[in-house]
Amino acid sequence: GAGVSQTPSNKVTEKGKYVELRCDPISGHTALYWYRQSLGQGPEFLIYFQGTGAADDSGLPNDRFFAVRPEGSVSTLKIQRTERGDSAVYLCASSPRTGGSRYFGPGTRLLVL
Amino acid sequence: DAKTTQPTSMDCAEGRAANLPCNHSTISGNEYVYWYRQIHSQGPQYIIHGLKNNETNEMASLIITEDRKSSTLILPHATLRDTAVYYCIVLKTSYDKVIFGPGTSLSVIP
Repeated sequence: GAGVSQTPSNKVTEKGKYVELRCDPISGHTALYWYRQSLGQGPEFLIYFQGTGAADDSGLPNDRFFAVRPEGSVSTLKIQRTERGDSAVYLCASSPRTGGSRYFGPGTRLLVL
Repeated sequence: DAKTTQPTSMDCAEGRAANLPCNHSTISGNEYVYWYRQIHSQGPQYIIHGLKNNETNEMASLIITEDRKSSTLILPHATLRDTAVYYCIVLKTSYDKVIFGPGTSLSVIP
C-alpha cells in the first residue's frame, strides 16, 4: 500500500521567505510526527499530532515554526522568515496508534540560501 | 526517556552476521527497545522492537539481556543493502516523543 508521502521532495528558498512542507500520512494512521535532520545527525523531534490536535510541540525550535493537521490526516509544517540554519531534511512519520511503530516518509530537503 | 549509547561505526563482511550493540542502563520497566535504520537519503525504517524477550522477524533478531540494560540487533546475513545508520531507541508505548541519538553507521563490505 501507499506509504507516507511528502511534498515537495526538495525546496530551495531565500532567507526571510515563508515555506510550507506537506505530509500525507498512511491512510487511517491517527498519529503524525515531524522531525528535522541535519547532516550527520539523527532525526530531531519537532511536533506530534494525535488526530487534529498537537499533543506535543515541545520540539519546535521557535515561534517561526508552526504545524497544522486540520482534518486529522494531511499535515503542513510552516516556517516563517526562514533562516539559513533552517536548512535540513524535514521528515514526517505516521503510526496507527499512540506508541505504535512509526512509518517515515522520504523527507523534504529544505535549503535556505 | 532512557538514553542509549551505541558505537559510532562498525564494519561487517557481506554474508556474515552483523551484531550491533546498544547500552540502555537506565531503562525502566515499561520502556521498550526499538531499532530503526536509515539508508542514505531515505527516511528511517522500523526494524524490530521488544520489551524483555528476544524477538525475531524477517529483517533481524533482537537479543535483550536479562537485566535489560543492553541489547543487540542481529542481521543474520548482512548484504550490501544493509549499509545504513542503525538507531537504538527506548520508548514507553504511551509516550511518543521518540528521541534519536547519532546511531551506529554500519558499513557492509564486499
